[in-house]
Amino acid sequence: SQQGEEDPQALSIQEGENATMNCSYKTSINNLQWYRQNSGRGLVHLILIRSNEREKHSGRLRVTLDTSKKSSSLLITASRAADTASYFCATEYGNKLVFGAGTILRVKS
Amino acid sequence: KAGVTQTPRYLIKTRGQQVTLSCSPISGHRSVSWYQQTPGQGLQFLFEYFSETQRNKGNFPGRFSGRQFSNSRSEMNVSTLELGDSALYLCASSVIPGKNTEAFFGQGTRLTVV
Repeated sequence: SQQGEEDPQALSIQEGENATMNCSYKTSINNLQWYRQNSGRGLVHLILIRSNEREKHSGRLRVTLDTSKKSSSLLITASRAADTASYFCATEYGNKLVFGAGTILRVKS
Repeated sequence: KAGVTQTPRYLIKTRGQQVTLSCSPISGHRSVSWYQQTPGQGLQFLFEYFSETQRNKGNFPGRFSGRQFSNSRSEMNVSTLELGDSALYLCASSVIPGKNTEAFFGQGTRLTVV
């Protein structure tokens, strides 16, 4: 299967703390994307990192990509209760996205 | 700019029936993809349409089909519904997939088969 894996499966932190989620994938990629899903609703695109990039920032989000290890991490700094959601990494193969199993993040206020 | 619109939002069907779900992409987006999300299998790719042509299909039985119209709107159909088809069906649109572009998702259609 091309589907990657994410860890941890679930993460519970206090507001203000940082949250780190990891994603691994199996084959070479053009890019890796991170999405957020709130409570069974649609997915919202967070950030896209290309295969020739190693790190990317967007507001409180920092994504790293290590193509030699076929892994990526998403760091959310200074978390807020509103960050409570499921986070998915996705790799793009041609014209389809292959998603990881996701990390459920709970931020307690 | 309006987002991706999926209708209906919720649907309850009986086993054996068929269902049609609709997706209107963002204006100007020519690619529409469909995904099934279940607690057990996660997010799985169903198919992708570009300019009315199906370019890619996931590993789903032939009961799952779709089409895209000239205005880029897309429908997916599931015939002979099974209990296991209960899921959140998500539609995503993009300008040109496979070119380092993001996908924009609708809110999904929650299908329950009883």
